[in-house]
Amino acid sequence: GDSVTQMEGPVTLSEEAFLTINCTYTATGYPSLFWYVQYPGEGLQLLLKATKADDKGSNKGFEATYRKETTSFHLEKGSVQVSDSAVYFCALRDTIIQGAQKLVFGQGTRLTINP
Amino acid sequence: DAGVIQSPRHEVTEMGQEVTLRCKLISGHNSLFWYRQTMMRGLELLIYFNNNVPIDDSGMPEDRFSAKMPNASFSTLKIQPSEPRDSAVYFCASSTRQGAWELFFGEGSRLTVL
Repeated sequence: GDSVTQMEGPVTLSEEAFLTINCTYTATGYPSLFWYVQYPGEGLQLLLKATKADDKGSNKGFEATYRKETTSFHLEKGSVQVSDSAVYFCALRDTIIQGAQKLVFGQGTRLTINP
Repeated sequence: DAGVIQSPRHEVTEMGQEVTLRCKLISGHNSLFWYRQTMMRGLELLIYFNNNVPIDDSGMPEDRFSAKMPNASFSTLKIQPSEPRDSAVYFCASSTRQGAWELFFGEGSRLTVL
């Protein structure tokens, strides 16, 4: 079945450092790809998405490009802040079954930014 | 607008007791998902509904778990009897085609079974 593999954490960086969190996927079709973020004590929320190859999703300074040739969707940010400390989840949208989409999530990567 | 609302936020119970977790969807959303999050297994999809109908319950761990959606805006996840290995954070999420299927999560229910 479809699956998502993320870079293992935890990741600890200093403020203003460059961030990359790797994500690769396995899918039979042409999935849509997502990054969700979970701040401490909260539910997940959508950070960015890309629906087809070569699309770039971006939000809050984060970017990720849908690379079909390498089946990847790596998350990047040029200069991280303490407020970016959270758990980041890569996900793909599975086949729409009976009108409902199902997201397959990676295992999550915990990011800590030190001042 | 109100988001997905879950209750209780925290539940501590003893092994063997029945646990009921509740979820109110965002108005107008028609897909409902129950997830479980633990350190060991990460985020697992338990069951999801579309238009009140269960679509896939293959993630439900065993018969002790059951979920219902008695109307378009409300769902329950029940564990009977509960066991210590059920301790986790349980998330409810909803979505709709009109929202391009973006998942909106509640804040979760943290369950501790002693």
